[in-house]
Amino acid sequence: NAGVMQNPRHLVRRRGQEARLRCSPMKGHSHVYWYRQLPEEGLKFMVYLQKENIIDESGMPKERFSAEFPKEGPSILRIQQVVRGDSAAYFCASSPDRVANTEAFFGQGTRLTVV
Amino acid sequence: AQRVTQPEKLLSVFKGAPVELKCNYSYSGSPELFWYVQYSRQRLQLLLRHISRESIKGFTADLNKGETSFHLKKPFAQEEDSAMYYCALSGSNTGKLIFGQGTTLQVKP
Repeated sequence: NAGVMQNPRHLVRRRGQEARLRCSPMKGHSHVYWYRQLPEEGLKFMVYLQKENIIDESGMPKERFSAEFPKEGPSILRIQQVVRGDSAAYFCASSPDRVANTEAFFGQGTRLTVV
Repeated sequence: AQRVTQPEKLLSVFKGAPVELKCNYSYSGSPELFWYVQYSRQRLQLLLRHISRESIKGFTADLNKGETSFHLKKPFAQEEDSAMYYCALSGSNTGKLIFGQGTTLQVKP
């Protein structure tokens, strides 16, 4: 089991472009969480998804950000019309159950730089 | 409001010295508390959780509900303990984690 895979590891986008971040959970895991880490800060929860469903998006900015976890394929975090303030490390975690019951496994993260 | 506070950004100790990484939380119900660790160039991984009451790599953490604290302790630090440590809580039915700002532990030889 390769663990949670995130790609790309580094992504550079110009202001106004779109950023797509991918997360492949561990085999057998159907719960995915996205977190954002701004410079000098801790990880902040963004969204929690199960297959084909968004369960909790209370941490997602209201505009430009969206997430999906289709029946087949990786979870995608999409940021439209990126701005400099979106520059951050984005981490994905997966678990076979909600993390309160089981351990969440994290990916290596995607470092987004907006220029 | 749900919050986790790690007051120290950096903690530097000598090898063999005791270590205590502080964590205080604010939560109205009964949270589940965790310590995650990130070694250099590695991914974030679970170190321990309060519910299991176990010792991992010599580290222990006791949940003190009166002081709303979950400090991480180790009696004798090793150089390989140098890493970034995050305290986190989970209190909702969704299992989302609320993280502290993190403490960098530096163990000097």
